[in-house]
Amino acid sequence: QVQLVESGGGVVQPGQSLRLSCVASGFNFNNYGMHWVRQTPGKGLEWVSVISYDGSNKYYGDSVKGRFTISKDNSKNTLWLQMNGLRPEDTGVYYCAKDQRIDDSGDYIDFWGQGTLVAVSS
Amino acid sequence: FMLSQPHSVSESPGKTVTISCTRSSGSIADYYVQWYQQRPGGAPTTVIYADNQRPSGVPDRFSASIDRSSNSASLSISGLKTEDEADYYCQSNDYNTWVFGGGTTLTVL
Repeated sequence: QVQLVESGGGVVQPGQSLRLSCVASGFNFNNYGMHWVRQTPGKGLEWVSVISYDGSNKYYGDSVKGRFTISKDNSKNTLWLQMNGLRPEDTGVYYCAKDQRIDDSGDYIDFWGQGTLVAVSS
Repeated sequence: FMLSQPHSVSESPGKTVTISCTRSSGSIADYYVQWYQQRPGGAPTTVIYADNQRPSGVPDRFSASIDRSSNSASLSISGLKTEDEADYYCQSNDYNTWVFGGGTTLTVL
């Protein structure tokens, strides 16, 4: 069965960096794009970033563009999110999620991890 | 663009409830709409993808559609059960950007 296990969350001060990891199992990681989605306290879901199956294409939400970097290592079945210049508004639970292609017109998330908590506070 | 959902809805067990999701700009039909369920304390799960498709394991009490005239999508849950009590989020795309709706809290009382 598909498993996505996030780690690397913690408490940091504004301006600091953090690197989140997500180890995947139960599917051929090489063949799938991956997402990071976050949920801020008491609020809804916010898409953060997506990476294509081979790592060649990366896209970001406006609120993290230029500060966060997504990457994946297919040999290690691992997805990362490097977060620099963290702000209090980046506080939340960060979910790793597997992308599933529907057709040439679109894709969706079919599996989610359990999330890792990031808290940015002075 | 934005996806707007009602903040909350409530209905009795056994009844049918419908949650709307209105796209602010661009056509609702241009990109697929998905629906995700998040039970209290849990991670999201997918209940509808590609406008109206149910992943395996999701009961057929869950259905969805899009309406071009109102530029909106809707999720319907029939035969409501207490286990359906959760937050529901719609999601769609615009080029290479993913957008989630603000979420709707469903209370089954």
